[in-house]
Amino acid sequence: KAGVTQTPRYLIKTRGQQVTLSCSPISGHRSVSWYQQTPGQGLQFLFEYFSETQRNKGNFPGRFSGRQFSNSRSEMNVSTLELGDSALYLCASSSATTDLNEQFFGPGTRLTVL
Amino acid sequence: AQSVAQPEDQVNVAEGNPLTVKCTYSVSGNPYLFWYVQYPNRGLQFLLKYITGDNLVKGSYGFEAEFNKSQTSFHLKKPSALVSDSALYFCAAYNTDKLIFGTGTRLQVFP
Repeated sequence: KAGVTQTPRYLIKTRGQQVTLSCSPISGHRSVSWYQQTPGQGLQFLFEYFSETQRNKGNFPGRFSGRQFSNSRSEMNVSTLELGDSALYLCASSSATTDLNEQFFGPGTRLTVL
Repeated sequence: AQSVAQPEDQVNVAEGNPLTVKCTYSVSGNPYLFWYVQYPNRGLQFLLKYITGDNLVKGSYGFEAEFNKSQTSFHLKKPSALVSDSALYFCAAYNTDKLIFGTGTRLQVFP
C-alpha cells in the first residue's frame, strides 16, 4: 500500500498570501488529521476530517481551514499568512472505525513565510 | 487541561547501553498512549501503543514502553541502543478524538 502523500513538500510564501496544502491518505482510510509542528510549540492538532465532515478541531484561528473530498483526499488552507505560520504541516490518516487506530503520517509540507 | 509532558529535551546514551525516554500524562479517564519517532525530513512513524492489558507494551525496532498508572507515566525503553535510533521521539495521548503530543525528546546515541 502506498503511504500518506503530501504536496507540495516545500513552499515559500510572503505575508498576507494564502496557501493550500494537499494530503492523500492511505487507500481505504477515511480519517485525515492535520498537525502543525514548530520548534517552539511542538506538534499541535489542527483538525480532523472523516467522511467529508470536520469531526474535531484544535485551537487555531479561523484563517486555518480544511476540507475533505469524497475520495478522502484532504486540503488545508491558510489565509492571510503570518510569519508565525512558518512550520512543518503534517497530515495523518487512519481507518478510524474506532478512535484507537494508529495514525499514519505523511512526510509533511514545510511552509516558510517571509 | 489534558497534557503530555516529556521532561527531557535531549537524552544522550552510548551505543549498546539501555535507554529510557520519559513521558508523563494528564488525561481524564482511561488513557490511550502512543509513542512515535521522527527521523530528519520525515513524518512521524508509529512505534507502539497502550490501550489496556499488560503494562509492558512491545513495539517496533526493539522498543518497549511501561505504563504506570499510579505515576501516570509511559516511559519508552530499549535494552541496547543503536546509533540508528538517534531521532526525535514523541509521546502522545488520545483524548476525545485527537492526539495530544508531548514536546518531543531528541535521542542521541553515540558510537
